[in-house]
Amino acid sequence: GENVEQHPSTLSVQEGDSAVIKCTYSDSASNYFPWYKQELGKRPQLIIDIRSNVGEKKDQRIAVTLNKTAKHFSLHITETQPEDSAVYFCAASSTPSGSARQLTFGSGTQLTVLP
Amino acid sequence: DTEVTQTPKHLVMGMTNKKSLKCEQHMGHRAMYWYKQKAKKPPELMFVYSYEKLSINESVPSRFSPECPNSSLLNLHLHALQPEDSALYLCASSRVLGQGRPSNQPQHFGDGTRLSIL
Repeated sequence: GENVEQHPSTLSVQEGDSAVIKCTYSDSASNYFPWYKQELGKRPQLIIDIRSNVGEKKDQRIAVTLNKTAKHFSLHITETQPEDSAVYFCAASSTPSGSARQLTFGSGTQLTVLP
Repeated sequence: DTEVTQTPKHLVMGMTNKKSLKCEQHMGHRAMYWYKQKAKKPPELMFVYSYEKLSINESVPSRFSPECPNSSLLNLHLHALQPEDSALYLCASSRVLGQGRPSNQPQHFGDGTRLSIL
């Protein structure tokens, strides 16, 4: 099955600085890579995703890059703000059943933005 | 607004009780999921339903019994749970592009049910 590794487990940055979180995956057949933000006591919220036919995607201060050859993808947050503080999960999608996607999550990164 | 609604938000039950968790979505999604999440850990997939049929069961103990009565509802029936089953139980839904075709559509999560087993 798919295995997703995520680094770092904790990350502290000063407000206004950039933050980068990296993930690697094992299954070359995985073709969809979402990132979720989860604030304490709340549900995971999709913040950005990328499909395997694209190398980079950007949405305002958030960007994701994908290197299919190396099987790794990264989340970049620029101009960080205190409200960006949360746990971020990467995930990779495989389709073992053929009709429903199965997400495998990374272990999470606790991002703290210091004012 | 949360598009996937889960009830109850909190549940405390004894090890001999029987209870059910409920999940509802009205986005027309035909795939629905149950996840278990322990504190400071990622969500762990339990079950996947596709077109109201159980598609994936990740070797979950039989004390958890899923049910998908229609395309909008997903239940998780609980019986004889153990203290280690205390966790946040998340429901999610996504589109499926036709029978037998994989979908790269996002999964939308509900707020979860925080379950405590005494």
